[in-house]
Amino acid sequence: SQTIHQWPATLVQPVGSPLSLECTVEGTSNPNLYWYRQAAGRGLQLLFYSVGIGQISSEVPQNLSASRPQDRQFILSSKKLLLSDSGFYLCAWNQGGQVPYGYTFGSGTRLTVV
Amino acid sequence: AQSVTQLDSHVSVSEGTPVLLRCNYSSSYSPSLFWYVQHPNKGLQLLLKYTSAATLVKGINGFEAEFKKSETSFHLTKPSAHMSDAAEYFCVVSESGQAGTALIFGKGTTLSVSS
Repeated sequence: SQTIHQWPATLVQPVGSPLSLECTVEGTSNPNLYWYRQAAGRGLQLLFYSVGIGQISSEVPQNLSASRPQDRQFILSSKKLLLSDSGFYLCAWNQGGQVPYGYTFGSGTRLTVV
Repeated sequence: AQSVTQLDSHVSVSEGTPVLLRCNYSSSYSPSLFWYVQHPNKGLQLLLKYTSAATLVKGINGFEAEFKKSETSFHLTKPSAHMSDAAEYFCVVSESGQAGTALIFGKGTTLSVSS
């Protein structure tokens, strides 16, 4: 069966420090991968999605970047965190193709920038 | 462009009474619609999805939703609320036929259940 792993679960980082959040999917190949952010009191906002290795689409200009070095690995990064980067980050995947099958979300990372 | 509007930011019910969480959508094409639930500091769990099959969709934990194209609505209901249903609920739209298209989330409805 397919599983999605996301870590760490919580993270407290100072302003100006770098960030690396990792997400991996098991039990499938060539998934579509997504990074979402949920700010306090708001819905989820799509940050990045990827339909294949090295293919990254950015939905919102920001202080973050994403990379997909392997088929089932998706990394969210920042060189210098801002206070506004605080939030709940969720990785998700679904199967590629023309039909949007149900998405599966990771358990999330609570990031607090201090 | 796609959009989702959850009409209530907060809904409060008593245990054992019906639940209604309202959602309206806007989509240029034939949409796929989802309801997700998020418990505090947890990831998202899929409750149910509509993908152009039956308009009345049954999901987990006794929830169901009805797709009404004429009203562009996809309201979530449950006949009898449980305390464990207290959580945040998201209505979500995705356009069919778009490989790699991501989900558009509503802003969420917080459901409170009192005893």
